[in-house]
Amino acid sequence: GAGVSQSPSNKVTEKGKDVELRCDPISGHTALYWYRQRLGQGLEFLIYFQGNSAPDKSGLPSDRFSAERTGESVSTLTIQRTQQEDSAVYLCASSLGWSEYNEQFFGPGTRLTVL
Amino acid sequence: AQRVTQPEKLLSVFKGAPVELKCNYSYSGSPELFWYVQYSRQRLQLLLRHISRESIKGFTADLNKGETSFHLKKPFAQEEDSAMYYCALARSGANNLFFGTGTRLTVIP
Repeated sequence: GAGVSQSPSNKVTEKGKDVELRCDPISGHTALYWYRQRLGQGLEFLIYFQGNSAPDKSGLPSDRFSAERTGESVSTLTIQRTQQEDSAVYLCASSLGWSEYNEQFFGPGTRLTVL
Repeated sequence: AQRVTQPEKLLSVFKGAPVELKCNYSYSGSPELFWYVQYSRQRLQLLLRHISRESIKGFTADLNKGETSFHLKKPFAQEEDSAMYYCALARSGANNLFFGTGTRLTVIP
């Protein structure tokens, strides 16, 4: 079956604009994660959704960042008033359940460039 | 707080030589450790996890709690092992991952 998909693959925006990134997880995966990878750095956890539970937002860097997920399907990550330091690859992953033992399956990422 | 350190950004070895990619972690609880790999133009994918105690593509990794390390090893490197390798940690009871900065392995023919 299809893996995790993300759109757009690339996004160039001007500083101060809002952007919305989309993630389609693997069907049946109840857990969904967003990570960010800035140049030369490791992946940085942003937010995690598990079924209908309240999301874990502990990794969001500022209140300009927000994310939503509809049930166990699509998720959108929104960055308001983008700044140049938001430039990064944004990765989405999904897993079958909440356990730390569940493998996470990653999407191809969205490369965001803020001019 | 938890932290994963991969001290080598770049590592080059000759084909057939042994390879070891280092990973150290800090976490006060009992972590679950993973190695993820990203081959050229492919997605990040799981290579192996500590809980499985398995060997994947000839790679193994042993959790050393005394040294807080989870180094990835392979006795004979192959050209197809050239990739970016990330060590990652999950805290007990939570499954968002904390990643190291990665090591780019190049296997020289």
